[in-house]
Amino acid sequence: AQSVTQPDIHITVSEGASLELRCNYSYGATPYLFWYVQSPGQGLQLLLKYFSGDTLVQGIKGFEAEFKRSQSSFNLRKPSVHWSDAAEYFCAVGAGGYQKVTFGTGTKLQVIP
Amino acid sequence: EADIYQTPRYLVIGTGKKITLECSQTMGHDKMYWYQQDPGMELHLIHYSYGVNSTEKGDLSSESTVSRIRTEHFPLTLESARPSHTSQYLCASSEEGRLNFQETQYFGPGTRLLVL
Repeated sequence: AQSVTQPDIHITVSEGASLELRCNYSYGATPYLFWYVQSPGQGLQLLLKYFSGDTLVQGIKGFEAEFKRSQSSFNLRKPSVHWSDAAEYFCAVGAGGYQKVTFGTGTKLQVIP
Repeated sequence: EADIYQTPRYLVIGTGKKITLECSQTMGHDKMYWYQQDPGMELHLIHYSYGVNSTEKGDLSSESTVSRIRTEHFPLTLESARPSHTSQYLCASSEEGRLNFQETQYFGPGTRLLVL
């Protein structure tokens, strides 16, 4: 079965600074990878996904993620963080077919002025 | 992006009451899911459905039940609510991509349940 690790529970960055959120996965074959964002009291919104092809994936709101098979990672990046990016971010891995998607425990992002 | 709706958004109810959390999607997705999420915690899958008349229990044991009589509707019912049921419940549906295993889940806004 697949698993996801988000090693950072909480991250604080200054507005305008760059951001990288870490995600490591465990799965025997090529995984399907996702990043979601959750604002307080809201559901999860899909930021981006990786199924195959180019390992650098562009998403909404200026986010991107890079799939690195050798490191079993799918880190989320943004070059310049805005105050509205403060939220919780979830990495997820799917195996396809009738396999269920597994979510990480989330990283809470705080943005300071 | 999928249109998926959950009602109510917030519910405060007394112990022992029967409640139904509604979830509807307008995208014609076959697969639907219910997750339970406690503050600061990961999502736990409690129920899922691969189509009409198909329901399965998820990874986390739950006293709730679900039904799937119509493609667009996937309600979750608690026959007798207890304080331990206090949580946020998220509904999701998924489409399959060009290859049938490229599945993307889309989430509703969630229902925050407080059982007194």
